[in-house]
Order: sequence, then C-alpha cells, then structure tokens
Amino acid sequence: KQEVTQIPAALSVPEGENLVLNCSFTDSAIYNLQWFRQDPGKGLTSLLLIQSSQREQTSGRLNASLDKSSGRSTLYIAASQPGDSATYLCAVGAGYNKLIFGAGTRLAVHP
Amino acid sequence: GAVVSQHPSRVICKSGTSVKIECRSLDFQATTMFWYRQFPKQSLMLMATSNEGSKATYEQGVEKDKFLINHASLTLSTLTVTSAHPEDSSFYICSAGGSYGYTFGSGTRLTVV
Repeated sequence: KQEVTQIPAALSVPEGENLVLNCSFTDSAIYNLQWFRQDPGKGLTSLLLIQSSQREQTSGRLNASLDKSSGRSTLYIAASQPGDSATYLCAVGAGYNKLIFGAGTRLAVHP
Repeated sequence: GAVVSQHPSRVICKSGTSVKIECRSLDFQATTMFWYRQFPKQSLMLMATSNEGSKATYEQGVEKDKFLINHASLTLSTLTVTSAHPEDSSFYICSAGGSYGYTFGSGTRLTVV
C-alpha cells in the first residue's frame, strides 16, 4: 500500500529565506507526482506536476525534484514571501488516475 | 485551463437530513471524477471514484449507501451525504483529471448539527 509522508509538518520562517519541503513515498511505481498549495478552507491549486520519467520541474520561484528510486521528492521555494504562507501537499499518482496525498507541510512566512 | 466548479462552498444541515454536493467540469468533459474528504489538519483521503454512466468505485471503509455518488453526464458528478451525522462534518472536495494533471474544485465545508 502506497504511503506518502511529508516533512516537516509545519515550518515558520522569516521572509526571504530559501525553503525545502520534503515528500517521501513507499512504492516507487508511480505515474507522476504533483505538488499542490492549499489555503485555509479552500481548494487545491496545482503548483508543479512531475511525470515519472522526469527528474524535475520549475515554475518561477518553485522547483520540484523527483527521485523515484529513493522514493523522494523535494519542493524548493526561493526567496520566500508572506504570500507563500499556506499548506503544501504532495501527491503521487497511483493506478486508475488516483492521487495519494501526504499530510502536508504548513508553511508560515513572516515579514 | 481546466476548471472544476463545486457547490455549495458551505452547508450546515441538521442531523438526519441529506446533503447534495455538485461538482462540474466547466470547459472539458470528465469521464472520471474523484471525491475526497479532509478532516482538520489532515490530508485528503480518497473516498470514491465517480465514473460517468456507471457505478462509482468506493475506497475501503467508505459506506456506499451513505455517500451516494451519481455521475449522470460528462460534466457533472454529485455526492449525496445521506442521513448525515455530526461525525460526517468535514471538508469534501472533488477533482477531475489524469496523468496530465488534476484540477480540484474549491471544496465544500459540511457542518452537521
């Protein structure tokens, strides 16, 4: 059974810091891996999608890497801003287009 | 890009009543939609996979008679929470997509009193 773990569970940093959020999964047989952002009481916003054949994806200040063999992905946020404060969710694509989510990392960036 | 619209965003109902949540794909056809449930400070847990024109596939531990799913068209899936109880209070969210990405609705906060 696929299990997804995110570390740390919560993170509080001053504005401007570069951050690394970690995601690990137990079964390397994944179709893809996706990072989402969730604001309190809101739905999910897709940030980056990495296909199983890819190693990384970049969008603006965000960079996500994928190492299937070791069952790990990292989300790198450069020059963090207060507007980045949210919960970041990692999800792996399993069979039949299912997504299996980690518990998330709650990020707070203070001015 | 693909948009999934979910309604209502919030609903409060009395214990014992039923509540229907709608999930619509606005600019694309979705043969498959997914329903998730999220408890406070916890991750999303897949409840069921909604298939257009056929029965939904439920995850282990999810009562299919309590959480009725209907996917009557390529753009609409509904989740009905029947005979709701306070323990059903949660955040319910739908999604559509596949290997090229997933789009989520904005979620429904259900409170059963």
